Amino acid sequence: GQQVMQIPQYQHVQEGEDFTTYCNSSTTLSNIQWYKQRPGGHPVFLIQLVKSGEVKKQKRLTFQFGEAKKNSSLHITATQTTDVGTYFCAVSNAGGTSYGKLTFGQGTILTVHP
Amino acid sequence: DAGVTQSPTHLIKTRGQHVTLRCSPISGHKSVSWYQQVLGQGPQFIFQYYEKEERGRGNFPDRFSARQFPNYSSELNVNALLLGDSALYLCASRPTRVTGANVLTFGAGSRLTVL
Repeated sequence: GQQVMQIPQYQHVQEGEDFTTYCNSSTTLSNIQWYKQRPGGHPVFLIQLVKSGEVKKQKRLTFQFGEAKKNSSLHITATQTTDVGTYFCAVSNAGGTSYGKLTFGQGTILTVHP
Repeated sequence: DAGVTQSPTHLIKTRGQHVTLRCSPISGHKSVSWYQQVLGQGPQFIFQYYEKEERGRGNFPDRFSARQFPNYSSELNVNALLLGDSALYLCASRPTRVTGANVLTFGAGSRLTVL
């Protein structure tokens, strides 16, 4: 099945610094999703990228899908303490009965020091 | 509208026991998926159900089973519990329209501790 490698595993930043997490696949992806899980919480959907080279922004968060659709990144500008949590990328096979089955990366744990 | 609801939120079992976890999807969602999240790892797919039929199964032993009811709620059953089954069990539902069909909404999870 599909696998995605996510780096780094941990990232510690000072409040106000930027943060980036990367997700890489050896195979071409049909789409990629990003989720955030707060400490003690559950994954919450952030965004889905579908098109080659796609870039989407949500306030201080910028999501990119690589031209070859084999990698993706999530960049947070000027981190805040509310950004603390684990960020996961997740991939699926589009269509058919694969809906609902996601393969998650290992996640990047972000801590923000005030 | 209520989100995905799961029960119980926490439970402690001993090795060899059986556990049943319950999930109610978002109203109107007919698909439910179950995931296991071991501490420090990403969620791992266990089952997917749609319209009361199993539509996918992850790499889990036969001790894990599930079903979906006519009201689209679901149960996950785990028999002969092992210490390694200790994890957060997440239920997720998704809309069945084409747009956003694979975007999951997770419940808060059931945290299982096996002693």
